Amino acid sequence: DTEVTQTPKHLVMGMTNKKSLKCEQHMGHRAMYWYKQKAKKPPELMFVYSYEKLSINESVPSRFSPECPNSSLLNLHLHALQPEDSALYLCASSQGYLERAGELFFGEGSRLTVL
Amino acid sequence: AQKITQTQPGMFVQEKEAVTLDCTYDTSDQSYGLFWYKQPSSGEMIFLIYQGSYDEQNATEGRYSLNFQKARKSANLVISASQLGDSAMYFCAMRRTGRRALTFGSGTRLQVQP
Repeated sequence: DTEVTQTPKHLVMGMTNKKSLKCEQHMGHRAMYWYKQKAKKPPELMFVYSYEKLSINESVPSRFSPECPNSSLLNLHLHALQPEDSALYLCASSQGYLERAGELFFGEGSRLTVL
Repeated sequence: AQKITQTQPGMFVQEKEAVTLDCTYDTSDQSYGLFWYKQPSSGEMIFLIYQGSYDEQNATEGRYSLNFQKARKSANLVISASQLGDSAMYFCAMRRTGRRALTFGSGTRLQVQP
């Protein structure tokens, strides 16, 4: 079983809806990540939080808004999305120190469909 | 800029045989890390193995080993004694030292046949 829990597993939303994706880990990791993965493509990095501070934003449109309320939780707030935003959204965590930053622990993802 | 290339979109292997998944990379950095991840149909990405650019020995983790050839800029994954549960998508990835971001290759879909 994965130690990174993502909810919901599936989400269907209209272009005017506001929804949130949630991610939780209890491994004591101090870095958390959001990745977007389209079908048959590799994951693409969206955001990185390091010690609860946003450290990387890969030029993601403002209709995606990340939030890290504490070291165990990571949210992705969604508003006014487009159909092309439909994808698998993966949350991951890693140890705080950079030497282990590439060893990511992923959740099973939230599959988002925008109608 | 970094680039990871996986030239095998799909691979087939018989159960209990070994298989090599290819990965080449391009970077001007001297210090970097190379990773392999497995993604089953459930969607979760699973970390398999890590190789640092200054590591002199090839990394091994159970049935997984990384054939690291620095001069050729290749980091191939070798899976020994394939099992049906090894059927999945496999991604090679690289991280620049000092950065958190991983750059992923396009992936190789491995199918293990009984």
